[in-house]
Amino acid sequence: DVKVTQSSRYLVKRTGEKVFLECVQDMDHENMFWYRQDPGLGLRLIYFSYDVKMKEKGDIPEGYSVSREKKERFSLILESASTNQTSMYLCASSFGGRPNYGYTFGSGTRLTVV
Amino acid sequence: DQQVKQNSPSLSVQEGRISILNCDYTNSMFDYFLWYKKYPAEGPTFLISISSIKDKNEDGRFTVFLNKSAKHLSLHIVPSQPGDSAVYFCAAEPETSGSRLTFGEGTQLTVNP
Repeated sequence: DVKVTQSSRYLVKRTGEKVFLECVQDMDHENMFWYRQDPGLGLRLIYFSYDVKMKEKGDIPEGYSVSREKKERFSLILESASTNQTSMYLCASSFGGRPNYGYTFGSGTRLTVV
Repeated sequence: DQQVKQNSPSLSVQEGRISILNCDYTNSMFDYFLWYKKYPAEGPTFLISISSIKDKNEDGRFTVFLNKSAKHLSLHIVPSQPGDSAVYFCAAEPETSGSRLTFGEGTQLTVNP
């Protein structure tokens, strides 16, 4: 059974802290993505990666960075957490190429910044 | 600039009836469309997709219709079941982007017994 695993289901962090969200997939997928989900805004793409050590900005990259040192692992980093980064964070992976058979998502990390 | 829009935040239907969820898009480069379902405290799961060369794709109780001229797609669920209660996201992919998806805001479907 294919899996995308996010290291934490719930996190509470203080303003200004550096936060690491980890995501691991076991499907040998080339592509990995980080989204955040907010009410009324849907899923918004933060960063994505098509290969190891490769990263691309999504639609809302400000305040975030990413790291992909190994194919199976994609980390999202909040350099200095702020309260407006309180959100549900979703990691996803997919095969490269077309057609797109869809993403496999992790269960999400609910981050609260206080 | 919301390129994929789901204008109905919520929809309530009776068990056994049809649920119709709608989605509009503005980017004419989108050529592949997907629907995802999301339960609380879980990640979204892939439901059904359609390529722009088709106007209909069916999978069991779920059918997706695509109207390219209107830049509109819809998801029909027949018959609706209480277990279908979830948030449904529409997503679209342009042919040049690899596999990057743009999602809509989501529609909360509630199926009442």
